[in-house]
Amino acid sequence: EDQVTQSPEALRLQEGESSSLNCSYTVSGLRGLFWYRQDPGKGPEFLFTLYSAGEEKEKERLKATLTKKESFLHITAPKPEDSATYLCAVQPNNAGNMLTFGGGTRLMVKP
Amino acid sequence: GAVVSQHPSWVICKSGTSVKIECRSLDFQATTMFWYRQFPKQSLMLMATSNEGSKATYEQGVEKDKFLINHASLTLSTLTVTSAHPEDSSFYICSAGDRVLTQYFGPGTRLLVL
Repeated sequence: EDQVTQSPEALRLQEGESSSLNCSYTVSGLRGLFWYRQDPGKGPEFLFTLYSAGEEKEKERLKATLTKKESFLHITAPKPEDSATYLCAVQPNNAGNMLTFGGGTRLMVKP
Repeated sequence: GAVVSQHPSWVICKSGTSVKIECRSLDFQATTMFWYRQFPKQSLMLMATSNEGSKATYEQGVEKDKFLINHASLTLSTLTVTSAHPEDSSFYICSAGDRVLTQYFGPGTRLLVL
């Protein structure tokens, strides 16, 4: 059974304090690993897709990396507007568009 | 690009009434759309997968007669909550899958059943 575990569940940072969010996964053949950002009361916003171990993608202060067992979302010098819940999801092979989500990490960045 | 809309964003209804939520992919065609439910401070729970022109596939524990899904075109899927009760109050989110299998999510619909 495909499983996705995100840690920590919640993370408080001071503005400018860099950190990383972890997404550990087990899947029977990975087609892609996805990162989304969700603000309260809104739908998830697509951030990145990673397809193979060693792949990295960046967007502004965010960088996502992937190994065969986990993915990290690195946040460099975060700002208060980066506060949100970050969701990780895996898409197995032969599952169409279906995603298995982790529980999310709630990030709070204080000014 | 890859914009998904939902309507309405908020709905309040009386117990026993039915509520329809629309999900549209605005700038791409989506052969597959998904409906999720989310409780406060929890992750997304997949309710069903709908493919254009065919019956939806429901996840275990989701009542298909309660949550009617119609995927009439490549850009529109609807979720109807029939005979809604207070326990159906929740945040409902749809998503649409593009050709490279990325799911793009709508803004969500908050349902409150009185």
